[in-house]
Amino acid sequence: DVKVTQSSRYLVKRTGEKVFLECVQDMDHENMFWYRQDPGLGLRLIYFSYDVKMKEKGDIPEGYSVSREKKERFSLILESASTNQTSMYLCASTLDRDGYTFGSGTRLTVV
Amino acid sequence: QKEVEQNSGPLSVPEGAIASLNCTYSDRGSQSFFWYRQYSGKSPELIMFIYSNGDKEDGRFTAQLNKASQYVSLLIRDSQPSDSATYLCAVASGAGSYQLTFGKGTKLSVIP
Repeated sequence: DVKVTQSSRYLVKRTGEKVFLECVQDMDHENMFWYRQDPGLGLRLIYFSYDVKMKEKGDIPEGYSVSREKKERFSLILESASTNQTSMYLCASTLDRDGYTFGSGTRLTVV
Repeated sequence: QKEVEQNSGPLSVPEGAIASLNCTYSDRGSQSFFWYRQYSGKSPELIMFIYSNGDKEDGRFTAQLNKASQYVSLLIRDSQPSDSATYLCAVASGAGSYQLTFGKGTKLSVIP
C-alpha cells in the first residue's frame, strides 16, 4: 500500500511564525497535493505539484508557498502564520487518475 | 468556479438498510468521479471511482454516474454501524486532470 506520511499530527504555532508542514510518499508518485479542511467549507486545494521543482497554485494559495526538491517530498510553508490558517492540513499523492491517497493530516493551531 | 454539491445530512438509516448518497457537479467536462469515506478525526480514504455512465459495484458499494444529468451517487447495501462516517464526493475535470474538487460531504449515521 502507498504510504503518505505527514510529519506532525498536531502543531501549535504563534502568529507571525514561519511554519513548515512536511509530506513524504513512498511510492514514486509524481503528483502531490496540499489541501486544508475546515468545518462547513470542506476540502480546498492550496497547491499541487506534478513533478520535482514544479508547483501550481490551487484555489486558495494566498499566504502559502510550497517546495518540491525531491520527488517523494512536498512541503507546505506558511510564510507568516495567522489565526485564520488554523485548520486541518491534508497532503495527498497519486500516480494516475485513480484517486488520491491521503496522509493522516496535521491539525495546526495558530495562537 | 467548479462546484460539487452534496446534502450535508445527517442521513440516518437503520442497520441493514440501503443508504443512498447523492452528488451533483457543475463542470460538464468532468471526467472522473470519486467517493471517499472520512471517519471523525481521520483523513479521507478512497472507496470507489467511476469514469463511465452507469453502475459500478464493489462489494456492498455501488457507484452510479449519469453525465447527462451531472449526477453521481453512492449506494451502500446492508448498511452497518461501521459505515457511519462522512462521505465525500470528488470530481476531476478535464482529460488527464488529477486535481480533485470535493463536495462538503454527507454525514451518514447507521442506527443499530
